[in-house]
Amino acid sequence: DGGITQSPKYLFRKEGQNVTLSCEQNLNHDAMYWYRQDPGQGLRLIYYSQIVNDFQKGDIAEGYSVSREKKESFPLTVTSAQKNPTAFYLCASEAGQGNQPQHFGDGTRLSIL
Amino acid sequence: AQSVTQLGSHVSVSEGALVLLRCNYSSSVPPYLFWYVQYPNQGLQLLLKYTSAATLVKGINGFEAEFKKSETSFHLTKPSAHMSDAAEYFCAVSDRWGSQGNLIFGKGTKLSVKP
Repeated sequence: DGGITQSPKYLFRKEGQNVTLSCEQNLNHDAMYWYRQDPGQGLRLIYYSQIVNDFQKGDIAEGYSVSREKKESFPLTVTSAQKNPTAFYLCASEAGQGNQPQHFGDGTRLSIL
Repeated sequence: AQSVTQLGSHVSVSEGALVLLRCNYSSSVPPYLFWYVQYPNQGLQLLLKYTSAATLVKGINGFEAEFKKSETSFHLTKPSAHMSDAAEYFCAVSDRWGSQGNLIFGKGTKLSVKP
């Protein structure tokens, strides 16, 4: 079945450490997104990419980085510059037209040790 | 700029009662609108979408929503709540003419269903 796979499901970060969250899709979607979810704040857009080798900052990009070397993959790195990384991270993909829904992975929960 | 307001961060209903979750949007162009559901520790699942074809949109699990342009609303309803409907619900708007596919989400409404 086609879908989006996020890994790992749970991740722990030490102070000063960078960690990378994986997101893979086999839906052949052009666009991919990373959101951060905190209780009571809904989803906030971190980065998005509409085509391979191109990506744009979202509303809360500081302390995060991404790459889009392959259509299927859009990894997110949470750097040590992100001072409050504890959150639930969701990856999504979309066919690339404004009227299509986004499809979501099951998320990665990141915590600080 | 597009925005979404969900009225009520928590809604509680009894099993079998009507579910009404409110969503108002702001958009300078005709919007695309979506409702998503999220169960604990999972991603978001699409319930239904409005893309200007019909103002009353039917979705999965017995949910439906009505687009009312005059009220800039897209409220989600279900005639009879089931225990399995307990989850968090998000309304989202997409700018049709701008950056393709970027969604603006509301802050979510947590639905509790009492037996």
